[in-house]
Amino acid sequence: DVKVTQSSRYLVKRTGEKVFLECVQDMDHENMFWYRQDPGLGLRLIYFSYDVKMKEKGDIPEGYSVSREKKERFSLILESASTNQTSMYLCASREGNNQPQHFGDGTRLSIL
Amino acid sequence: GQQLNQSPQSMFIQEGEDVSMNCTSSSIFNTWLWYKQDPGEGPVLLIALYKAGELTSNGRLTAQFGITRKDSFLNISASIPSDVGIYFCAGKFGGATNKLIFGTGTLLAVQP
Repeated sequence: DVKVTQSSRYLVKRTGEKVFLECVQDMDHENMFWYRQDPGLGLRLIYFSYDVKMKEKGDIPEGYSVSREKKERFSLILESASTNQTSMYLCASREGNNQPQHFGDGTRLSIL
Repeated sequence: GQQLNQSPQSMFIQEGEDVSMNCTSSSIFNTWLWYKQDPGEGPVLLIALYKAGELTSNGRLTAQFGITRKDSFLNISASIPSDVGIYFCAGKFGGATNKLIFGTGTLLAVQP
């Protein structure tokens, strides 16, 4: 069974803090993705990675960075959190280019 | 970023009714995926379609990859209360691109 685990279900941080969201998959998948989901805007791709130490910008990378030091772990970093980054963050992974993405349960992040 | 046109936006039905929703795109896709998202959870893959004309079932769910490769539909037969949630379509272009394009979602409510 496919398993994508996000470290926190709920997180509350303050404006200006550096925030780390962690995602781990145990299927040896090549590709990993970070999305944010907001009402009326659907899922928007922030960053993705197709291999260790490789990353590519998605549609809304501003204010975010990522790290993929190991194949199973893909971290999303908010360098200096702002209130407009309050959102539901979803991590996904897939085995290869023609395989479907599988999602974690999401992290609901609130920036105060 | 791009989004697919998904309709209807929401549906309120009685238990036992059949449901149909669809997605259309101005672009040709090589893959169509259908996901369901329960409140506070991440999207879960329901059905993956890889060939034009393909018709695939998963229990009471049936999805088809349109012949034009620009549309897909999802049918749910004999709905039950646990079918409640948001249903998303997602399409992927062929080639080396890694990105999925998501529909805006259909909210399904089932009255017992």
